[in-house]
Amino acid sequence: AQKITQTQPGMFVQEKEAVTLDCTYDTSDQSYGLFWYKQPSSGEMIFLIYQGSYDEQNATEGRYSLNFQKARKSANLVISASQLGDSAMYFCAMRDGYNTDKLIFGTGTRLQVFP
Amino acid sequence: DGGITQSPKYLFRKEGQNVTLSCEQNLNHDAMYWYRQDPGQGLRLIYYSQIVNDFQKGDIAEGYSVSREKKESFPLTVTSAQKNPTAFYLCASGSTHYEQYFGPGTRLTVT
Repeated sequence: AQKITQTQPGMFVQEKEAVTLDCTYDTSDQSYGLFWYKQPSSGEMIFLIYQGSYDEQNATEGRYSLNFQKARKSANLVISASQLGDSAMYFCAMRDGYNTDKLIFGTGTRLQVFP
Repeated sequence: DGGITQSPKYLFRKEGQNVTLSCEQNLNHDAMYWYRQDPGQGLRLIYYSQIVNDFQKGDIAEGYSVSREKKESFPLTVTSAQKNPTAFYLCASGSTHYEQYFGPGTRLTVT
């Protein structure tokens, strides 16, 4: 069965520094998608970045990049130049199969950015 | 503005009562989803619908029911059969193979 693992319950980073949030996944599908979402204390889930399993280049969206290592089944999120507003929960998720849009979520990493 | 609305933001109910959570979207998405989030946990899928008048159970459907009579609306009923209904409920919508967009959530407390 598909599974997402986030092993870092919490991370600290100083403002303006880069931080990497880890995500590993398990699937037997050849075609899948990987997502990162941000959840501020208000509760809404904000889409950050997407990586398809056949994409050869790592996805980037502004200060967010996804370090995709297919052979290792990892999809780490890199946030460059951290800002105080980046403090939030971050969830890695995987699309469950090709013909559905069901997402499987990890347990999340709480990122705290300090001045 | 396009988006997903969920109401109310906070909901309180007595044990044994059914309660319906609202979810509306004007993004013209075919698919809609309901997730449950417990403290310190990720999201778990309750029900999803990929087309009007059709829906499928997710991983934790017991004690919940849904309807999808209109493309824009996907209400979730938390029934008295749900043993631990207190949680944060998130509704989402999306187009096939792309990201899901989430509403602001409803925090349900049952005492």
